[in-house]
Amino acid sequence: AQSVTQLGSHVSVSEGALVLLRCNYSSSVPPYLFWYVQYPNQGLQLLLKYTSAATLVKGINGFEAEFKKSETSFHLTKPSAHMSDAAEYFCAVTLPWGLTGGGNKLTFGTGTQLKVEL
Amino acid sequence: DVKVTQSSRYLVKRTGEKVFLECVQDMDHENMFWYRQDPGLGLRLIYFSYDVKMKEKGDIPEGYSVSREKKERFSLILESASTNQTSMYLCASSPGTIYGYTFGSGTRLTVV
Repeated sequence: AQSVTQLGSHVSVSEGALVLLRCNYSSSVPPYLFWYVQYPNQGLQLLLKYTSAATLVKGINGFEAEFKKSETSFHLTKPSAHMSDAAEYFCAVTLPWGLTGGGNKLTFGTGTQLKVEL
Repeated sequence: DVKVTQSSRYLVKRTGEKVFLECVQDMDHENMFWYRQDPGLGLRLIYFSYDVKMKEKGDIPEGYSVSREKKERFSLILESASTNQTSMYLCASSPGTIYGYTFGSGTRLTVV
């Protein structure tokens, strides 16, 4: 079955610094990958997704992620952190419809809490 | 925008009570999901549904059941609430794999 591992349950950066949140996936076939953000006491909001088109994916709020098959990674980056980026971030994986174990279920990582300091 | 509405933001229930968590989506999505979210464990899938009256177990279905009588509504039922079901419950809907999910705001359930 497919899975994702998020390295680092807590990441702290200074405002204006690079944000790098790590996600590695495990899948027997090329997966679809997603990043979601959750602000306090809210549901999850889609940041960006990789669905086998361009490997560099741009999302909302200045975030982007690059799919690297050789490294089985889908790390989330933002060049310059802002205080408003403080939230919890989740990486998720699924398989294209019709493949074994796919359907439409997303499997989520355990999340990374991003703290942005002045 | 697609809207997924969960009927309660906060609930407090007693051990042994039957609890209903309601979720409604307004964009005619076929797929609906219930997850629970716990610190350090991320989101874990409880049940999902691909169509009306259709349901499939997720990774942690024990102690839960679901109902989908209409396409827009997906209910999660705790038959006899226990303290270990204290959690944040998140409902989501999706038109298909490639689109990802739209989530509701969540229901924080406390069982005392």
